Amino acid sequence: AQRVTQPEKLLSVFKGAPVELKCNYSYSGSPELFWYVQYSRQRLQLLLRHISRESIKGFTADLNKGETSFHLKKPFAQEEDSAMYYCALDSWGKLQFGAGTQVVVTP
Amino acid sequence: DAGITQSPRYKITETGRQVTLMCHQTWSHSYMFWYRQDLGHGLRLIYYSAAADITDKGEVPDGYVVSRSKTENFPLTLESATRSQTSVYFCAAQPGTGAYGYTFGSGTRLTVV
Repeated sequence: AQRVTQPEKLLSVFKGAPVELKCNYSYSGSPELFWYVQYSRQRLQLLLRHISRESIKGFTADLNKGETSFHLKKPFAQEEDSAMYYCALDSWGKLQFGAGTQVVVTP
Repeated sequence: DAGITQSPRYKITETGRQVTLMCHQTWSHSYMFWYRQDLGHGLRLIYYSAAADITDKGEVPDGYVVSRSKTENFPLTLESATRSQTSVYFCAAQPGTGAYGYTFGSGTRLTVV
């Protein structure tokens, strides 16, 4: 069965420190993975798609098929990065989301 | 570019009442989705639609009904609201089944008392 796991419910980091959000998945086929971000009480926004290998707002994510992971990283966290982050797996056109990680960046 | 519009933004209803949440897209994206967002569960798929008049159940469909008579509209109805349906509901759309990613609406915060 497909599953997306985000093991950290809350991640608290200092401004300027590196931040890594973990995402592990289980999927029998070739995965299509995404990261979404939700700022306080706003709509979810697409942050990254693994197929595009983009860097958005300084964030990157690498798909590791051996470890079935798609961790999100940023070398220097900013206060505006405080938000809820969701990892998602596309399964036949439907997205399955992890439980989310709340990131709090303190000055 | 309005994208996806959800209404109402906030709704309080009583147990047992029927309530309909509206979702409208300004594009002609084929796929539309309804999710509920709950703390500790992330987002869970309620129903989805691949085109007008084609709908299917997601992970948590019980107590909900959808319809899609027009491509641009995808209303979600709670037939007899229960307190467990208190949640934030998000509508989303996607052009096709490729790895496009969804565009989400602003959400409807529903409280059932």
